[in-house]
Amino acid sequence: GAGVSQTPSNKVTEKGKYVELRCDPISGHTALYWYRQSLGQGPEFLIYFQGTGAADDSGLPNDRFFAVRPEGSVSTLKIQRTERGDSAVYLCASSQDRGVLAFFGQGTRLTVV
Amino acid sequence: QQQVKQSPQSLIVQKGGISIINCAYENTAFDYFPWYQQFPGKGPALLIAIRPDVSEKKEGRFTISFNKSAKQFSLHIMDSQPGDSATYFCAAKRTGGYQKVTFGTGTKLQVIP
Repeated sequence: GAGVSQTPSNKVTEKGKYVELRCDPISGHTALYWYRQSLGQGPEFLIYFQGTGAADDSGLPNDRFFAVRPEGSVSTLKIQRTERGDSAVYLCASSQDRGVLAFFGQGTRLTVV
Repeated sequence: QQQVKQSPQSLIVQKGGISIINCAYENTAFDYFPWYQQFPGKGPALLIAIRPDVSEKKEGRFTISFNKSAKQFSLHIMDSQPGDSATYFCAAKRTGGYQKVTFGTGTKLQVIP
């Protein structure tokens, strides 16, 4: 596809479980971003990858959150020991180098029950 | 700490009218101010953006007005249409490089026929 693809679209998990959220960026985009959008709020920055490395992970809320991008393309956001407060829409975006974020993926809606 | 303040939270405009959304910021290190449009179930999409060296930017029916001294900027949607009904986010990015964007809290616009 031409856009950023995120899977799954929805994820319901029980408190304490582990979840993985996947992002397929636009082909050739070296920069990849994860943002989190809570209900009624604007997106908040979580982490930025340039290639395979996390260049800025200052937005990750705590050490339960981790993200990887091993081959410089697909990225996985991993959340351990999920809490109800982790419920949100997790958005991914990609860009050429440090270019403008024109489009985000449709997001993964995570619900922790 | 909310670095980009946005108002109003919601807005109802008649078809053909002008929609106005206002934002203010504190951090003078911000050098790029995008606006995003988000439809339900979709990720945000870049609508229009401005840099602080210009006071106004127009693209079709969408205009950004920028007041650097007041640290305020606004989005005007002329001839508003029902298809413009969406949530709009103002945002800001700091000088230098990658897209670590700070978003406002959003304005839900409803354009009624």
